[in-house]
Amino acid sequence: EAEVAQSPRYKITEKSQAVAFWCDPISGHATLYWYRQILGQGPELLVQFQDESVVDDSQLPKDRFSAERLKGVDSTLKIQPAELGDSAMYLCASSFTRGQQYFGPGTRLTVT
Amino acid sequence: RKEVEQDPGPFNVPEGATVAFNCTYSNSASQSFFWYRQDCRKEPKLLMSVYSSGNEDGRFTAQLNRASQYISLLIRDSKLSDSATYLCVVTAGGTSYGKLTFGQGTILTVHP
Repeated sequence: EAEVAQSPRYKITEKSQAVAFWCDPISGHATLYWYRQILGQGPELLVQFQDESVVDDSQLPKDRFSAERLKGVDSTLKIQPAELGDSAMYLCASSFTRGQQYFGPGTRLTVT
Repeated sequence: RKEVEQDPGPFNVPEGATVAFNCTYSNSASQSFFWYRQDCRKEPKLLMSVYSSGNEDGRFTAQLNRASQYISLLIRDSKLSDSATYLCVVTAGGTSYGKLTFGQGTILTVHP
């Protein structure tokens, strides 16, 4: 069964440092999502791509977060500089357009 | 007010018990409704969609009341393996299509 791949699985970084996460969606899935899940809460959408275009980034803190999907396949989410409050699980999901979303295993970020 | 609100939990029940989770949503334009299951430190996975007519999948029954903006999940004959966090999820239509809005989750622990 095809899966969404994410790396790294775990990341520890110091505040003010830069950090990047990578996601490879299921082959053929045009829509890609990045979610952030703070401990004890449900995931919250940060950014949604349709192919290489951003469809929704209304909840992305654009002063420090950036996301790209240059060739419409894999995607990178970057945080610079990281803050203590960024400690969370970062989940990537993909879907066919208007289809069920499949989540990757996530990257657990700890900012010290 | 949060867009999706769930019972605070946690629920601790013995094997074989019946347990019900409730959820309310604030956006009357919401179009699709789901329950996701999330095991500890894992990604969310779709448990079942929720329809106005109600739907059942084995020991799980989901109900939707659009007039009251209320969603429920009933688990019968609980198993140890049902222990997880259950997330109530809604999606809106139009330009927000595909964006999953999660509740904070309800933790279920089934004990012997």
